[in-house]
Amino acid sequence: NAGVTQTPKFQVLKTGQSMTLQCAQDMNHEYMSWYRQDPGMGLRLIHYSVGAGITDQGEVPNGYNVSRSTTEDFPLRLLSAAPSQTSVYFCASSTRGRDSPLHFGNGTRLTVT
Amino acid sequence: GQQVMQIPQYQHVQEGEDFTTYCNSSTTLSNIQWYKQRPGGHPVFLIQLVKSGEVKKQKRLTFQFGEAKKNSSLHITATQTTDVGTYFCAGLSSGAGSYQLTFGKGTKLSVIP
Repeated sequence: NAGVTQTPKFQVLKTGQSMTLQCAQDMNHEYMSWYRQDPGMGLRLIHYSVGAGITDQGEVPNGYNVSRSTTEDFPLRLLSAAPSQTSVYFCASSTRGRDSPLHFGNGTRLTVT
Repeated sequence: GQQVMQIPQYQHVQEGEDFTTYCNSSTTLSNIQWYKQRPGGHPVFLIQLVKSGEVKKQKRLTFQFGEAKKNSSLHITATQTTDVGTYFCAGLSSGAGSYQLTFGKGTKLSVIP
């Protein structure tokens, strides 16, 4: 049972480049979300989805897009990378939503130069 | 918006000493979740508290939820080196038909052997 799988583990981008962070879960969870973690800032919600075809913004959505075409996958797209997006990104899923425990992926460490 | 304050930010203890981290919310919570993140790892769910005044134990860890459901604590008895990591609380608040899960900034625990 793989749980929540994130790829890549590490990525370096130049300012202005775009990329997609992949997230897949095999637990049939309806709820999926993306967080970014910065030193001293805790975990901040970027976007979330309560089911296939449904997405919504979190606390810090600017500069990021998401889509949810299947229950399993929830990719995060950076449209035009900026140094302020240097961070560790975590994908998390749960059975029902934010009132049930979150299962986190191993994270993607992104550096934008 | 909802704010969740967690103190202390850092704690260094000698192995065998006790450790406590506190979480305070600006609003009444529906529930509170606790997570542990080992260095270089991802957050892992520890426990969820739902009822006012609830106390739960997991071996050397004791979790409490305040009577007013606005604060919580995690107490570790006789710390071990395996307890090293950052402990996060996450408070769930509800209103206007939606839920918001807000993470505290975490308490980083170092254990000196």
